[in-house]
Amino acid sequence: QVQLQESGPGLVKASQTLSLTCSVSGDSISSGLDYWNWIRQPAEKGLEWIGRISYSGRTHYNPSLESRVTISVDTSRNQFSLQLTSVTAADTATYYCARGAIESYGSGSYSWFDSWGQGTQVTVSS
Amino acid sequence: SYELTQSRSVSVSPGQTARITCSGDELAKEYVYWYQQKAGQAPLLVMYKDSQRPSGIPERFSGSSSGTTVTLTISGVQAEDEADYSCQSRDSSGTFVFGPGTKVTV
Repeated sequence: QVQLQESGPGLVKASQTLSLTCSVSGDSISSGLDYWNWIRQPAEKGLEWIGRISYSGRTHYNPSLESRVTISVDTSRNQFSLQLTSVTAADTATYYCARGAIESYGSGSYSWFDSWGQGTQVTVSS
Repeated sequence: SYELTQSRSVSVSPGQTARITCSGDELAKEYVYWYQQKAGQAPLLVMYKDSQRPSGIPERFSGSSSGTTVTLTISGVQAEDEADYSCQSRDSSGTFVFGPGTKVTV
């Protein structure tokens, strides 16, 4: 059974860079069968998809965050990471990593988040 | 930007049926996925591709679609079903979008 675990600083100063890593066990990122995602949730608010990466490094970001986001993958460590630059208080949230299952059809694919990490709280301080 | 609409809350007695709806302009063309989130926990996938139930999810959870509205139904609600339920789909550019969530109180 796949398990995902987020790690990184719980407190980041405003204007600095938020960096988180997701360690995957029970599945190999290199298998290429899935995408690997970052999703966040401010307190008492809804979920927001940040972006995803494939085993080969192909990325797709939420346009609302694209200018500040970088997601990278380290297949040798079976990890993927998130960097979010120039953070503000609005970036305070619980950050989740999640596996994106894929089902291909014709020229496209469906994807959903079938396994999630427990989440890590990140607070941006002024 | 593309938005999904959900009712804010649903209150049901044990054994009754809870229906949670998700509406969006693209939903006649795109599937919806549902996540259950209990207090202090990570989301859990409870339905995919509108009406497919993942392994391990009780049969009392079902899904249906009609036009631009998708419905998650919990038949014979149990106390353990009390949670927030969020729908998810994607917009025309492939960006994943979540609804604001519906709080189900048992």
